[in-house]
Amino acid sequence: DTGVSQDPRHKITKRGQNVTFRCDPISEHNRLYWYRQTLGQGPEFLTYFQNEAQLEKSRLLSDRFSAERPKGSFSTLEIQRTEQGDSAMYLCASSDQGQPQHFGDGTRLSIL
Amino acid sequence: QQQVKQSPQSLIVQKGGISIINCAYENTAFDYFPWYQQFPGKGPALLIAIRPDVSEKKEGRFTISFNKSAKQFSLHIMDSQPGDSATYFCAEGRGSTLGRLYFGRGTQLTVWP
Repeated sequence: DTGVSQDPRHKITKRGQNVTFRCDPISEHNRLYWYRQTLGQGPEFLTYFQNEAQLEKSRLLSDRFSAERPKGSFSTLEIQRTEQGDSAMYLCASSDQGQPQHFGDGTRLSIL
Repeated sequence: QQQVKQSPQSLIVQKGGISIINCAYENTAFDYFPWYQQFPGKGPALLIAIRPDVSEKKEGRFTISFNKSAKQFSLHIMDSQPGDSATYFCAEGRGSTLGRLYFGRGTQLTVWP
């Protein structure tokens, strides 16, 4: 069991740049979730997929955010025209349907 | 977006003591209540979870107590150890689908020797 893998672990970028994060779920899991966590807060839901279908999106997921899971395996989260407020830890989780979510160690995004 | 209220925000316990963290929820549509443990620089790790059809669930030193009428649930860590020092999050979700989770703000636990 290799767990949920996220890449990169840290990303530093200038305001206005685009960034993309990758998540590789636990291999047999058909569900994949994205959350965002800021300092001193719990994770906040962004979106989730079942296989390649995006089943739910939070209002937090503005037009600048897009997530994909094209083949039902890994997923990418892209943020366009980054803003200071996007600085956060972006967490990915995966699960079998009806089973608990297992989280990766996240990608920490810092906007200069 | 956070609908589950968690307290206290921080907790300091002596080694060997009992750590108690409380959460309150509002929406009775939620019927799945997990607790996650998070160490600095790591993602949350599932500790233990409960559904409202049981009032208590125990796994090792960790126990969840659930009070359905009061819409409250709590995590008890018995014989707390310095290695338990971490941030603990309660969460709520819909057990039928186990989709999105709503997390509390977290409790930073420090266990001193």
